[in-house]
Amino acid sequence: NAGVMQNPRHLVRRRGQEARLRCSPMKGHSHVYWYRQLPEEGLKFMVYLQKENIIDESGMPKERFSAEFPKEGPSILRIQQVVRGDSAAYFCASSPGTGRFYEQYFGPGTRLTVT
Amino acid sequence: DAKTTQPTSMDCAEGRAANLPCNHSTISGNEYVYWYRQIHSQGPQYIIHGLKNNETNEMASLIITEDRKSSTLILPHATLRDTAVYYCISLSNTGTASKLTFGTGTRLQVTL
Repeated sequence: NAGVMQNPRHLVRRRGQEARLRCSPMKGHSHVYWYRQLPEEGLKFMVYLQKENIIDESGMPKERFSAEFPKEGPSILRIQQVVRGDSAAYFCASSPGTGRFYEQYFGPGTRLTVT
Repeated sequence: DAKTTQPTSMDCAEGRAANLPCNHSTISGNEYVYWYRQIHSQGPQYIIHGLKNNETNEMASLIITEDRKSSTLILPHATLRDTAVYYCISLSNTGTASKLTFGTGTRLQVTL
């Protein structure tokens, strides 16, 4: 059973470009979460999605960041007009859902570097 | 969600049991205790969770005190690969809120 997959593993963008991070949850999981880890800091929740719905986006910056989890395909975290402060590791997690929301399985992360 | 307190760091000799404490004195009746770890540069890894009974799985054991104000994660035979930051998180399993709030955790160093 494949785990959570994220791609790319490393992404370099220049300031002002767009970054697209992809996450495929574990088979049978329909709940996806995105977390961000800034250098030398702890993990911070960004957004929680179910298929075609955003459930909780309380951790998402108000501008430039968006997330989706379409009916078909991976979840996408999109960062428009990246700035140096967006450089971080972005982790995606998935969970089985009802009664097991907090049993989250994380991917290897995408390391975004903004130059 | 109850606040948890963990030591900043601990050392453990390889092959010995690693006992990682967590204090959650304000935990409420419907809150579970979850443990995760993050090995350097990797995504966090779910370890175990419990409500009031002791739990064991292939990775670890979780001992929760009778008053539920504290717990201990036990890695029975620590190896160098268990070197990581361990997070204790107290959460209610009801409703649909499901974000994990990671504190500073305990940095476990397993040594030869």
